[in-house]
Amino acid sequence: DGGITQSPKYLFRKEGQNVTLSCEQNLNHDAMYWYRQDPGQGLRLIYYSQIVNDFQKGDIAEGYSVSREKKESFPLTVTSAQKNPTAFYLCASSIVSGRNTEAFFGQGTRLTVV
Amino acid sequence: AQSVTQLDSHVSVSEGTPVLLRCNYSSSYSPSLFWYVQHPNKGLQLLLKYTSAATLVKGINGFEAEFKKSETSFHLTKPSAHMSDAAEYFCVVSVRSGYQKVTFGTGTKLQVIP
Repeated sequence: DGGITQSPKYLFRKEGQNVTLSCEQNLNHDAMYWYRQDPGQGLRLIYYSQIVNDFQKGDIAEGYSVSREKKESFPLTVTSAQKNPTAFYLCASSIVSGRNTEAFFGQGTRLTVV
Repeated sequence: AQSVTQLDSHVSVSEGTPVLLRCNYSSSYSPSLFWYVQHPNKGLQLLLKYTSAATLVKGINGFEAEFKKSETSFHLTKPSAHMSDAAEYFCVVSVRSGYQKVTFGTGTKLQVIP
């Protein structure tokens, strides 16, 4: 089955630690995205990538970093510089061309700072 | 610039009665519009999409939405609510202007009362 896999589902981080969230897709999509979801705020874009080895900051990139070394993979690192990292993180992918640009989402990773 | 406004943060209906979730958008370009559903601690699933074809769009699970350009609206409806419809719903606008810009609404939580 084609889809997007995020791991782990739940993640706990101590203050001052970096953590990396995994996102893998086998849909052959060029574009991949990371969103952060907080109650009552919808989804906010952290980073996106439309091609391998290239990525752009979204609306709330501070304290986060990404890489796109392979088309299938778009890991997100939450660094110690992110002051309020506790949230639900969603990864998505989509095709780039045309108007049919629906995004396919993973099941999310819930990150909690302890 | 583009934006999405979901007019109700919470909607409560009785099982078997109609559902109406309201969404208004603004966009400088011709948009594609989507509705996604999210069950607790899950990723987002596409319900339906409008991409400049028929203005009345039918989706999964009996949902449909009508694109009204004059009213800049894309309201989601269902004739008869089911208990399994209880979830959070997101309206999304997507515009291609050089790169793909996707904007999420803040979500509407649907409660279905037995």
